[in-house]
This record gives sequence, C-alpha cells and structure tokens, in this order.
Amino acid sequence: DAGVIQSPRHEVTEMGQEVTLRCKPISGHDYLFWYRQTMMRGLELLIYFNNNVPIDDSGMPEDRFSAKMPNASFSTLKIQPSEPRDSAVYFCASTPGVLRGYGYTFGSGTRLTVV
Amino acid sequence: AQSVTQLGSHVSVSEGALVLLRCNYSSSVPPYLFWYVQYPNQGLQLLLKYTSAATLVKGINGFEAEFKKSETSFHLTKPSAHMSDAAEYFCAVSENTGNQFYFGTGTSLTVIP
Repeated sequence: DAGVIQSPRHEVTEMGQEVTLRCKPISGHDYLFWYRQTMMRGLELLIYFNNNVPIDDSGMPEDRFSAKMPNASFSTLKIQPSEPRDSAVYFCASTPGVLRGYGYTFGSGTRLTVV
Repeated sequence: AQSVTQLGSHVSVSEGALVLLRCNYSSSVPPYLFWYVQYPNQGLQLLLKYTSAATLVKGINGFEAEFKKSETSFHLTKPSAHMSDAAEYFCAVSENTGNQFYFGTGTSLTVIP
C-alpha cells in the first residue's frame, strides 16, 4: 500500500493565483480529511468527506477555499485567489472509519508558500 | 464537543532519561485515544491507540501510554529517550458518536545529548 499520496510536496505561488492541492487516499478508506497546520494555529480541520460526500466544511476559512472529491480515489483542495496568510502545510488523511477505532493515515503534506 | 489538553508545548529530556508527555481529554465517556508523532517535514504517524481494550497500550519505538478513566488522562511514556525521538507529539481523541478526531496542540520533544 502506497499510503496517502499528496501532490505537490511544495508549492510556491504569487498572491492572487489559484492553487490546487491533490490527495489520493488509501483504497477502501471511506473517510477523507483535509487539515491545515501552522505554527500559530496548530492543526485545523478544514473539511471531511464520507464516501465522496462532504460532511463537515465548517473549518473552511472562507469562500476562497473549496474542496471536491469526484471519486473514491481523488480529492482536491483549491484556493482562489491565494493570499500570503494561506501559507501553511496542508495535510490529507484517510481512515476506514473512526467509529470502528481506526486511526487516520496522513499524507506527507503540501507546503504552500504564497508570496 | 470533545477537547484535548496537552500540558507543556515543549519538553526537554536528556538522552537515556524518561520521557513523559501529558494528555488529558474532556469527555466522560471513554473514547478512542491516539498518539501521533510528527518528524520534521513529515506527516503525522500513528504511535499507538487505545480502543477500550487493555488500559496500558504499547506502541512503536518503545513508547507506551496508559488510559486512566478516573483522571481522563492518556499520558505517553518511554523509559529511555533516544536522539531519534526528537519530534512533535500529538494526542488525539475521537468520540463514540463522531467521525473525526480532536487533536491537542502538540508537544515538541527535544532530546539533549
């Protein structure tokens, strides 16, 4: 199993540009989570999906952020337009089900820098 | 909602000394509890988990944690610290009725040679 795969690993973009982060969860994991990590705020849950359906997006900071999961093996997190305060490490995680006692498996993250 | 408190955002220990990282949760219902480790420039990796079985849970790299319901605690320990243990450690808790974790703010462990 290749684990949770995120791309790109690093992204540097100019303010105002659109940024798309990608995630491939582990096959068979029904839940997918997007987190943001910064020194100031720690780990923040942005949104999570169950069977490709968004369940809770209350952590999405504002309308500039959007996430999709068109199928069980792919999800995107898009920021449009990007701002310097969006600079952070974005993690994707998947799990077969928290209620069944499974933990999350995290990807290696995407380090986003907006200049 | 559940909450997790990790006492001490930074902990320093000497190589070979006991490691103790503290975690307390808020729920009165025994949840599932987890410890994750994050090495620099990497994602979070599962160290160990408690899922209502034995209260003393053993994980990878010599770490273990004890679930104490009366104290609502799940502290992480390791008898002898290695340099390679230097990392950020996160405690997380899930509820029996929810599908997400609640993470603590993390504890950065420094191991002094």
